[in-house]
Amino acid sequence: DAGITQSPRHKVTETGTPVTLRCHQTENHRYMYWYRQDPGHGLRLIHYSYGVKDTDKGEVSDGYSVSRSKTEDFLLTLESATSSQTSVYFCAISPHGDSYEQYFGPGTRLTVT
Amino acid sequence: RKEVEQDPGPFNVPEGATVAFNCTYSNSASQSFFWYRQDCRKEPKLLMSVYSSGNEDGRFTAQLNRASQYISLLIRDSKLSDSATYLCVVILNTGGFKTIFGAGTRLFVKA
Repeated sequence: DAGITQSPRHKVTETGTPVTLRCHQTENHRYMYWYRQDPGHGLRLIHYSYGVKDTDKGEVSDGYSVSRSKTEDFLLTLESATSSQTSVYFCAISPHGDSYEQYFGPGTRLTVT
Repeated sequence: RKEVEQDPGPFNVPEGATVAFNCTYSNSASQSFFWYRQDCRKEPKLLMSVYSSGNEDGRFTAQLNRASQYISLLIRDSKLSDSATYLCVVILNTGGFKTIFGAGTRLFVKA
């Protein structure tokens, strides 16, 4: 158990509203990641963090922002949700940055209507 | 061409069978390779890392062929509990970090 929780686990929101998803870890790992998973696409990296206040974009970062003000929390924000952002969002941590092994949280199922 | 490609399956095999999955990747600069399994509506779980020398963990064997740019996963003596989707993952960290997941191969093991 990698000690990762995500909240909320399910959310339904309307187009145009802001949404923030939270990833919380208990092990003080340096690396954290946000992915989305859609049918036929596999998981795609949105943003990642390599330390407090250190973040970078992944391949599908448009429409998303992140913040990491504490080691244990990595927040993903959809500034103005769109229907194309309906997806399952997974957070992951990497205990050993050099090896790139990643361990995933339980996911957040987001529906934008 | 997708950066990482997997046969989507499904693979339907009886208990006790041996089954093999392949995954091809397009970027020769890829550095690290993994297999994950994902059960329906659950998060991916790390199954094993993949090394050039090959590695084994119980009934599971993973291989990496850098020359042909593919990785493989062999499952021996399949169990009902092996039914899941298997995801291959490729990592690049040259000129920017990239994690590329294959879309997954679905496995059904039947009694």
